[in-house]
Parts: sequence; C-alpha cells; structure tokens
Amino acid sequence: DAKTTQPNSMESNEEEPVHLPCNHSTISGTDYIHWYRQLPSQGPEYVIHGLTSNVNNRMASLAIAEDRKSSTLILHRATLRDAAVYYCILRDGISSGSARQLTFGSGTQLTVLP
Amino acid sequence: DAGVIQSPRHEVTEMGQEVTLRCKPISGHDYLFWYRQTMMRGLELLIYFNNNVPIDDSGMPEDRFSAKMPNASFSTLKIQPSEPRDSAVYFCASTQGTENQPQHFGDGTRLSIL
Repeated sequence: DAKTTQPNSMESNEEEPVHLPCNHSTISGTDYIHWYRQLPSQGPEYVIHGLTSNVNNRMASLAIAEDRKSSTLILHRATLRDAAVYYCILRDGISSGSARQLTFGSGTQLTVLP
Repeated sequence: DAGVIQSPRHEVTEMGQEVTLRCKPISGHDYLFWYRQTMMRGLELLIYFNNNVPIDDSGMPEDRFSAKMPNASFSTLKIQPSEPRDSAVYFCASTQGTENQPQHFGDGTRLSIL
C-alpha cells in the first residue's frame, strides 16, 4: 500500500486558515486521497476526499498537487472545535473487498490557539 | 440520522473475564469494521464484514478474540479470556460498499482490563 507522510503536530490561531500537508510520493493512479479527523474522545470522522482535482465541501478544501505526490487539507477559518488529529489516507478507488478498509498512520495533531 | 452505536462506552473488568463489545451499524450499510486504538500502535483494523460475512480477520491479535455479525444490524467483538494488554479503545465503523463512500465510526468502547 502506498504510504503517506504528515507532520506530527501543527499549531494555528483561532479564526485563521490552516494548511495541513501530506506527502504521498508513491501514490498510484487509482488511489484516492482521503482525510479523516479524530476529535478528543471520539471516533474518526470523514472530512473530504479527492482524486486529481481540488475539492471543496462544508468542512474543508482539498488541494492536490498536479503530480499528485502531495496534497493539502485547508481549513479556511480554524475554530477551537477543529483541534483534532488529522489523518491523510490513500485508498484504491477500483479494487473491491480489502480496499474498503482504511489504514491509519499517526496523523497530524492540530492545536488551535485562542 | 442515527450514527453507528456502540455499547458499552466504558468497560472495566478483571483479567480473565469475558468481555463483549457491541455495535449497531448504520441502516443500509453493508460493510462493518472493528478497529482498535492504542497509544503504542494507533488505529488498527481487526476484522471486517461484508453482508454479515467475515471477509478479513487477519488483524485479530489471537484466538482469544472473536467477532460475529448475526444480522445486518448487529455485531459483537468478544475477548475471552481478557488480558491487561487488551486495554484499548475499540471502534466500530460501517459504510456502503459503493466506491469511495466514507466510513462512519461510532464513539468507541474504552476497555480497561485490570
């Protein structure tokens, strides 16, 4: 499985944008980039996913490099509630069965300062 | 909509006792996953089901662990006998099998084996 690399931790000020990077240099052509986050004492929560084009939803934006070897999750205006561990995960979009599972790395611990 | 429901939220028991964790997936989801999270190993997949059938149990640590899914709305993860090293947070997740549907996680069961 292609792996991802994320910084262990990042800090942001409240109400400022946050850019969370993820490197995935061995990504394959059929791998989708998924982001989940885990708030304290909760299960992981889906944030966003994409293949090649940048994606936006109500929670965040996903910017994908042209060569797809890296991506950035963008929180446009961080709140205290966004403090969580953010996981960048590659998932094959074609294979069935075992590809449905998620393989979590260690993620990025985001601290939001008031 | 009701999310994935896990019970109990917390369980404290003595070594050697049988532990049963329960999960109700989201209605209509045909995949169910059991994960375990510890500080040392992070989030690990234990087993997953498709249409109530176990597909991959390679993550189950040993024979003391077993999982069942008697119907589409209920699954159990059992540990017998329990050991202190089984202490962890256990998460259940469900998803629809169509391409790139997100996994929805429960709030987990925090298990402490004394």
